Amino acid sequence: DGGITQSPKYLFRKEGQNVTLSCEQNLNHDAMYWYRQDPGQGLRLIYYSQIVNDFQKGDIAEGYSVSREKKESFPLTVTSAQKNPTAFYLCATRAQGDTGELFFGEGSRLTVL
Amino acid sequence: GQNIDQPTEMTATEGAIVQINCTYQTSGFNGLFWYQQHAGEAPTFLSYNVLDGLEEKGRFSSFLSRSKGYSYLLLKELQMKDSASYLCAVWDSNYQLIWGAGTKLIIKP
Repeated sequence: DGGITQSPKYLFRKEGQNVTLSCEQNLNHDAMYWYRQDPGQGLRLIYYSQIVNDFQKGDIAEGYSVSREKKESFPLTVTSAQKNPTAFYLCATRAQGDTGELFFGEGSRLTVL
Repeated sequence: GQNIDQPTEMTATEGAIVQINCTYQTSGFNGLFWYQQHAGEAPTFLSYNVLDGLEEKGRFSSFLSRSKGYSYLLLKELQMKDSASYLCAVWDSNYQLIWGAGTKLIIKP
């Protein structure tokens, strides 16, 4: 099946630990995005990548890092520098030349204990 | 600054019609999206408008007025499964996607 796979779906972390959220896609889409969603707020862009080996900071990149070594993969690391990491994280892709519709993974819910 | 406004919550009755409004102020405009998001799940695409007017897709329709910076999503023949949040999002002039906070729609029997 074509789609976007995020893992893990649920993750618990102790303060001071780094965690990495996985995002894999087999849609052959160039652009990939990481969003954070908090209750009562719109989706906020963390990082995005339009091509392999290149990525740009979004609105709330501090405390996060990414890599784009393969077209299919765009992992997000939540570092200990992120002061309030408990949130729902969404990975998305977009095909170039289309209307710009985003396709989302199922999300990863991170809770810091 | 860039801003998208939508009501926080709406309530409607099963079988009825509901209209969810979205107003936007962005630096440029390259299209407006509506997404549906059930609690704890990922958003799913509903509609895309780039020209003024009404786009109809089954029970759902979306309207755009670029001169007014306004859109609405119209849901007809409401079903219980339509209980969800509805997110409005706009591509600005740099093709950055600006998101509204979403409207939580509660359907009552």
